[in-house]
Amino acid sequence: EVQLVQSGAEVRKTGESLKISCKASGYSFTSYWIAWVRQMPGKGLEWMGIIYPGDSDTRYSPSFQGQVTISADKSTRTAYLQWTSLKASDIAMYYCATSTGDRVYWGLGTQVTVPS
Amino acid sequence: DIQMTQSPSTLSASVGDRVTITCRASQSISNWLAWYQQKPGKAPKLLIYKASSLEGGVPSRFSGSGSGTEFTLSISSLQPDDFATYYCQQYYFYPSWTFGQGTKVEIK
Repeated sequence: EVQLVQSGAEVRKTGESLKISCKASGYSFTSYWIAWVRQMPGKGLEWMGIIYPGDSDTRYSPSFQGQVTISADKSTRTAYLQWTSLKASDIAMYYCATSTGDRVYWGLGTQVTVPS
Repeated sequence: DIQMTQSPSTLSASVGDRVTITCRASQSISNWLAWYQQKPGKAPKLLIYKASSLEGGVPSRFSGSGSGTEFTLSISSLQPDDFATYYCQQYYFYPSWTFGQGTKVEIK
């Protein structure tokens, strides 16, 4: 069974760094792309970027290029999304998701809060 | 970049109504389209994949159709649990994914 287990909710101050994770199981981690999706409060789903853990090929939506870094660790089957300097506008729920063929599988999300 | 246009953005309906949501792609995506249901504070739930395949455990009142650039999600008889927001997603143009803007189904 494909599972994506995301790290817990985070509260950080403006300007702080943050790295959230998504641990995959139940499929060949290195053979399928894994994506990150943002959902700001009351808004829709936005594709941020995607990584192919097999060779770490990473693509970003133009809206997120330079704002975040996506990475993956094959040894722990974990994908990461990180910020070097959080802004108040980064408040959102962040989901990881993958498609191993026909279906798309999602994690339950990580809430990021940046008190202003 | 491929665009996904969902309509309507809001839909008011009553229990028992038949409901249809449309998603249009700016280019052909074959049948690589998924539909999701999302409730407040929850992750998107996969309803339909490959445009018309019903995910396991999803009630049969949900159905999807279409190919190429035009797709529909139908709910044959709206139930109280179905009031939620619905999204379409293309996953044809790898590695880029695109979502529709969402359709909120409200109680009339």
